[in-house]
Amino acid sequence: QKEVEQNSGPLSVPEGAIASLNCTYSDRGSQSFFWYRQYSGKSPELIMFIYSNGDKEDGRFTAQLNKASQYVSLLIRDSQPSDSATYLCAVKGPQAGTALIFGKGTTLSVSS
Amino acid sequence: DTGVSQDPRHKITKRGQNVTFRCDPISEHNRLYWYRQTLGQGPEFLTYFQNEAQLEKSRLLSDRFSAERPKGSFSTLEIQRTEQGDSAMYLCASSAGTRPTGELFFGEGSRLTVL
Repeated sequence: QKEVEQNSGPLSVPEGAIASLNCTYSDRGSQSFFWYRQYSGKSPELIMFIYSNGDKEDGRFTAQLNKASQYVSLLIRDSQPSDSATYLCAVKGPQAGTALIFGKGTTLSVSS
Repeated sequence: DTGVSQDPRHKITKRGQNVTFRCDPISEHNRLYWYRQTLGQGPEFLTYFQNEAQLEKSRLLSDRFSAERPKGSFSTLEIQRTEQGDSAMYLCASSAGTRPTGELFFGEGSRLTVL
């Protein structure tokens, strides 16, 4: 059973702080890793993806991947109230076209 | 690029009725996925098409569920003899086969309520 685990939260941070979201996965063959943001009542929206060990930065967002530890994280710098949402971690296996497996998501609340 | 569109956005039905959802993927995407999401959970994979071929089905997909993508463009998901446990958001996503990283782009979803 391929699993993706996330702490459901809520994670509460003050405006301007760094929010750190974590995810672990069970399938060592996983190749690509994704972070989606989902506002209440809306569909998931892709924030960024990573497939190499290390860090990948995109604006205020940094994804970190450690395949040896089967761990992926998302850092949000200078958190804004508009960042308040559920963040979904998703993992893709090695075969082309394989569906993404999602975690349950972490709810982030940024207070002003 | 008009994005992934789904119809209807909301459906309320009585237990035992059949319902059908439609998904139109991003035009150049050859891969199409159906997911189901309930409150407090992440999306659960149901089935996947590459062009018109249904290549993968989850064990979650009971025989009351059927999906088609007859011409490799739009797809339909039909649920027969609906049960209250089928109440969920049904999400469609598409991806481009040329992208090895496989990122999915989701539609707005079709919310099903079974009374």
